[in-house]
Amino acid sequence: QKEVEQNSGPLSVPEGAIASLNCTYSDRGSQSFFWYRQYSGKSPELIMFIYSNGDKEDGRFTAQLNKASQYVSLLIRDSQPSDSATYLCAVNMMTGAGSYQLTFGKGTKLSVIP
Amino acid sequence: EPEVTQTPSHQVTQMGQEVILRCVPISNHLYFYWYRQILGQKVEFLVSFYNNEISEKSEIFDDQFSVERPDGSNFTLKIRSTKLEDSAMYFCASSSPQGMPQETQYFGPGTRLLVL
Repeated sequence: QKEVEQNSGPLSVPEGAIASLNCTYSDRGSQSFFWYRQYSGKSPELIMFIYSNGDKEDGRFTAQLNKASQYVSLLIRDSQPSDSATYLCAVNMMTGAGSYQLTFGKGTKLSVIP
Repeated sequence: EPEVTQTPSHQVTQMGQEVILRCVPISNHLYFYWYRQILGQKVEFLVSFYNNEISEKSEIFDDQFSVERPDGSNFTLKIRSTKLEDSAMYFCASSSPQGMPQETQYFGPGTRLLVL
């Protein structure tokens, strides 16, 4: 069974702090990795994607990928109360049929305290 | 900015009834998907669709489910005989203007289905 694991939280950080969200995945052949944000009752909203080892920065967000450790992380700098949401790690895993299937973790609930 | 749209936003149905959930993917995308999310649980893949046929389906997507692209814009999910456990949020997504299955998927707002 191909899995994506996340700490469910809740993760509480004070406003202005750095929030660090982590994710591990089981399929070593995975090639594309995504972070989505989901507010309660809403659909997943893309935050970032990363394909290569290393860091990728976009504004206050930095995604980090380590394929050897099968580990993806998301850093949110200068956290704001509006960042309070559930963050979903998703990994595009190749199936036995040679196609791809996006597999989600359960999500980490982030709470930014004013 | 183009986005995926879904109708209806909410659907209430009786057990055993058929429901059709509708989606309009982003116009230049080539891959289309359905996911579901039972309340409090993770987002689960149901099916992917490319070049007018199913390219992948999960164990959840049994004979009660079917998908169709009836015209150039709509993509539908049909549940033939709904069960109580089909109650969930159903998300449509689309991706791949380049035709690559690994590309970013963009999600619609979802249809909340309640089976009574």
